[in-house]
Amino acid sequence: AIQMTQSPSSLSASVGDRVTITCRASQGIRNDLGWYQQKPGKAPKLLIYAASSLQSGVPSRFSGSGSGTDFTLTISSLQPEDFATYYCLQDYNYPHTFGQGTKLEIK
Amino acid sequence: EVQLVESGGGLVQPGRSLRLSCAASGFTFDDYAMHWVRQAPGKGLEWVSGISWNSGSIGYADSVKGRFTISRDNAKNSLYLQMNSLRAEDTALYYCAKDKGGGWYDWGQGTLVTVSS
Repeated sequence: AIQMTQSPSSLSASVGDRVTITCRASQGIRNDLGWYQQKPGKAPKLLIYAASSLQSGVPSRFSGSGSGTDFTLTISSLQPEDFATYYCLQDYNYPHTFGQGTKLEIK
Repeated sequence: EVQLVESGGGLVQPGRSLRLSCAASGFTFDDYAMHWVRQAPGKGLEWVSGISWNSGSIGYADSVKGRFTISRDNAKNSLYLQMNSLRAEDTALYYCAKDKGGGWYDWGQGTLVTVSS
């Protein structure tokens, strides 16, 4: 199974900061990667699909990049509503796998 | 409006079985692959199983292979997860999700499975 190594596991930042989260796949997955945001008690929300495509309705401060094994999610200017947990997900092949998650907290 | 409503969760003893259902509406169900994802209390997301639109392609996480069976009934717009030989570590909130072929935009609210004696 493909392992997704996500880092950091937690991050403290301030409103207005630029933040980057990374995921590394144990083997190449083309661009078959999505990024999801989850808030407590809620289902995950799709932010980015196909590594770099912004889901409709998601603010443009979110962006994704990468291909093959290395991927990043960037939030250009943190807003109060962005404090949440973020996950990457590879859907290149079965079994699909999530990263371990990054909890983004207010500094 | 797309709706995914999970049901069938509950308290079950170790070694017993449970069948989860996901009722879909608001879209053409048999156009899309579907997935089950779970989240143990206080833990991260874990993909459990997925099924293609025509059931021709099915996958399972190693942690559930041989114990869980995914299926779908396109005539009933429903997705299922048959869970056998349940273990304490299967305790989680189980979500169903619709695969739009580029990300999973639509998710249910989940059904809680608790495995305990």
